[in-house]
Amino acid sequence: GESVGLHLPTLSVQEGDNSIINCAYSNSASDYFIWYKQESGKGPQFIIDIRSNMDKRQGQRVTVLLNKTVKHLSLQIAATQPGDSAVYFCAENRGYSTLTFGKGTMLLVSP
Amino acid sequence: EADIYQTPRYLVIGTGKKITLECSQTMGHDKMYWYQQDPGMELHLIHYSYGVNSTEKGDLSSESTVSRIRTEHFPLTLESARPSHTSQYLCASSDPRMRDYEQYFGPGTRLTVT
Repeated sequence: GESVGLHLPTLSVQEGDNSIINCAYSNSASDYFIWYKQESGKGPQFIIDIRSNMDKRQGQRVTVLLNKTVKHLSLQIAATQPGDSAVYFCAENRGYSTLTFGKGTMLLVSP
Repeated sequence: EADIYQTPRYLVIGTGKKITLECSQTMGHDKMYWYQQDPGMELHLIHYSYGVNSTEKGDLSSESTVSRIRTEHFPLTLESARPSHTSQYLCASSDPRMRDYEQYFGPGTRLTVT
């Protein structure tokens, strides 16, 4: 069936490093791909989205890359900070405002 | 910060009990959702609503029911709780006039059924 999945369950980085979180998807019909951040004890929070006809989108300290050829999505966080420690989920918009979430990647940032 | 609230935050209850998890949002969003999430795992959609008097089942087979009598309120009810219902339940809302895949989540209710 259709699915969105992540390659790495845990990513450990040093403060100030750049982080890259990867995600594979299988539904080519999705029109938007989205990244959410979930801090401990909280609900997920929207970070950034990318439309399916784009390759790259930048936000504040974050960049999302979409490679439709290999159905791969990545989230790059520049100058990672301890406050970035969280679980990151990619999701795809299936239409009718329903999302399919992938398995999360935990990002651990050490000072 | 999103104005979406869930109560209770934590609930421990015995098998067979009826429970209602509350969710309210003050943003006037038409669309609301319930997800189930096991620790460290992905979110699974169990119910959603397009607006008042609208309820739809999601992907995950669930023995729960929902109602949407008011825009701001989307409670989830388990008629007879079982240990298999032990999980975290997340409520969310979105504005269909904007990016409705940008969902605002509540803090969740962690349910334990003994």
